[in-house]
Amino acid sequence: EPEVTQTPSHQVTQMGQEVILRCVPISNHLYFYWYRQILGQKVEFLVSFYNNEISEKSEIFDDQFSVERPDGSNFTLKIRSTKLEDSAMYFCASGQSYEQYFGPGTRLTVT
Amino acid sequence: GIQVEQSPPDLILQEGANSTLRCNFSDSVNNLQWFHQNPWGQLINLFYIPSGTKQNGRLSATTVATERYSLLYISSSQTTDSGVYFCAVDQAFGNEKLTFGTGTRLTIIP
Repeated sequence: EPEVTQTPSHQVTQMGQEVILRCVPISNHLYFYWYRQILGQKVEFLVSFYNNEISEKSEIFDDQFSVERPDGSNFTLKIRSTKLEDSAMYFCASGQSYEQYFGPGTRLTVT
Repeated sequence: GIQVEQSPPDLILQEGANSTLRCNFSDSVNNLQWFHQNPWGQLINLFYIPSGTKQNGRLSATTVATERYSLLYISSSQTTDSGVYFCAVDQAFGNEKLTFGTGTRLTIIP
């Protein structure tokens, strides 16, 4: 059964560094998403992406965040200058119609 | 924006017991999904259920969209059912962001 994959599973970085989180969505899906979950809290929407452009973003998704689909298979989330409060689990999701399928997540720790 | 509330927030049960988890939402929705977050943090899709009833093994779910709630039933609980259960709704007509509920933390004791 096809699934969404994410790499790395865990990333530790120093404050101020740039990180790129990578996702491979399910191959025939057209809609892509990033969510995050701060430890102990609920999952929050960051951004949705369709037809090679952002379709919606939350107020969390400020100028330090960017997304890209550099080729036909990968979908990336870049955080330009990480802050301590960016420490969270980041989930990628993809969908073809209404249902969204989530990847296993990347746990980002900013020290 | 839409509000999604889940109850109870915490539930501790003996292995073999049955449970009902509830999800209330504040506005009309077109899509609703239930997830299980396992102890490793992974979100496992359980049901896509904007309306009606579905069953998958020991789990079943019912959504009454007109009354703005959904129920997740777990029968004959096993320790592997432990974790946090989230419902999430999509208010727009598809392909929009999911708004997650606050979750129910389920602990199954052997």
